[in-house]
Amino acid sequence: TQLLEQSPQFLSIQEGENLTVYCNSSSVFSSLQWYRQEPGEGPVLLVTVVTGGEVKKLKRLTFQFGDARKDSSLHITAAQPGDTGLYLCAGSFNNAGNMLTFGGGTRLMVKP
Amino acid sequence: DTGVSQDPRHKITKRGQNVTFRCDPISEHNRLYWYRQTLGQGPEFLTYFQNEAQLEKSRLLSDRFSAERPKGSFSTLEIQRTEQGDSAMYLCASSLAPGGSYEQYFGPGTRLTVT
Repeated sequence: TQLLEQSPQFLSIQEGENLTVYCNSSSVFSSLQWYRQEPGEGPVLLVTVVTGGEVKKLKRLTFQFGDARKDSSLHITAAQPGDTGLYLCAGSFNNAGNMLTFGGGTRLMVKP
Repeated sequence: DTGVSQDPRHKITKRGQNVTFRCDPISEHNRLYWYRQTLGQGPEFLTYFQNEAQLEKSRLLSDRFSAERPKGSFSTLEIQRTEQGDSAMYLCASSLAPGGSYEQYFGPGTRLTVT
């Protein structure tokens, strides 16, 4: 059974601070996605990483995929209240692109 | 809007009743997935279809659950004899595979409450 561990589970910060969220597994991902989910809504895809060592940027969000493709991080610079939400990492452990295994999520609150 | 849609958004039912949810995927996507998410947890995979064929089912999908995608377009998920433990958000996603990026795009979900 492949497991994804996300840390921290909860994060409450002030507007303007930086933060990093981590996603780890003992198994190798073929690809990994990061999603953001707001209460009562479905997850919204932020980014997909595939290549070990890959770094992708989406405005103030920086996503990094570990060299061994077992871990990933999401860094937010100068967080804003609009960044508040549940951040989920989800991995695919084969190349068939079928099921995603999700981490438990990091619930982020950014206070103005 | 050409995203994934789900209906209904909310369903309240009494224990023992049957419920059915519908999912309409992104029109050109051939794969459709069902996930379940309980409060405070990440989504858990239930099953997926490629076109009309159901290719994989999780052990979470008990015999009270059945999913169909008869024409390879929309899908339905039925839960028979609902139990309080079935209360959750049921999420549908779609993707284009093979040949696409396998990225899964989610609908807004159906929130089920069993009383």
